[in-house]
Amino acid sequence: EPEVTQTPSHQVTQMGQEVILRCVPISNHLYFYWYRQILGQKVEFLVSFYNNEISEKSEIFDDQFSVERPDGSNFTLKIRSTKLEDSAMYFCASRHQGQNYEQYFGPGTRLTVT
Amino acid sequence: SQKIEQNSEALNIQEGKTATLTCNYTNYSPAYLQWYRQDPGRGPVFLLLIRENEKEKRKERLKVTFDTTLKQSLFHITASQPADSATYLCALDASGYALNFGKGTSLLVTP
Repeated sequence: EPEVTQTPSHQVTQMGQEVILRCVPISNHLYFYWYRQILGQKVEFLVSFYNNEISEKSEIFDDQFSVERPDGSNFTLKIRSTKLEDSAMYFCASRHQGQNYEQYFGPGTRLTVT
Repeated sequence: SQKIEQNSEALNIQEGKTATLTCNYTNYSPAYLQWYRQDPGRGPVFLLLIRENEKEKRKERLKVTFDTTLKQSLFHITASQPADSATYLCALDASGYALNFGKGTSLLVTP
């Protein structure tokens, strides 16, 4: 069964450094998302991406964040200058199209900023 | 502002019983509502979607109801098993087809 994959599973970085989190969505899906979950808190929406552009973003997704679909399979989230409060699980998700609204999540990348 | 509330306290039930989890929302008129399962350290896994014009949806041992007047959804697991122990998340549609999640309810099924 097709699944969303994410790499790395765990990333440790120093405050101020740039990180890139990578995702490979399900191949015939057209909508892509990033969410984050701070330990003990709820899953929060960051950004949605469709037709090679951002379709929606939350207040969390400020100028420090960017997304890219560099080729036909990868979908990346870049944090330019990490802060301690960026430490969280980051989940990539994808959705097919039309009225199939369910989303399929990857296993997540645990980002630890020290 | 839009709010989604799920029972914050963990639900402990005995194997074989029916688990019922509640999701209430305010300041929302969702077109659909979804339920996901999340195990510790893992991503959410889609379980069921129910649309605003549907009262009830079933899938194997799972049943979801959706009352748009009460602004509430109930999620039932019948004949619960220890393997059903997890956190269950309610999610409503936000703009751009993003999902707005509740905090989730932790379910523990004991033998």
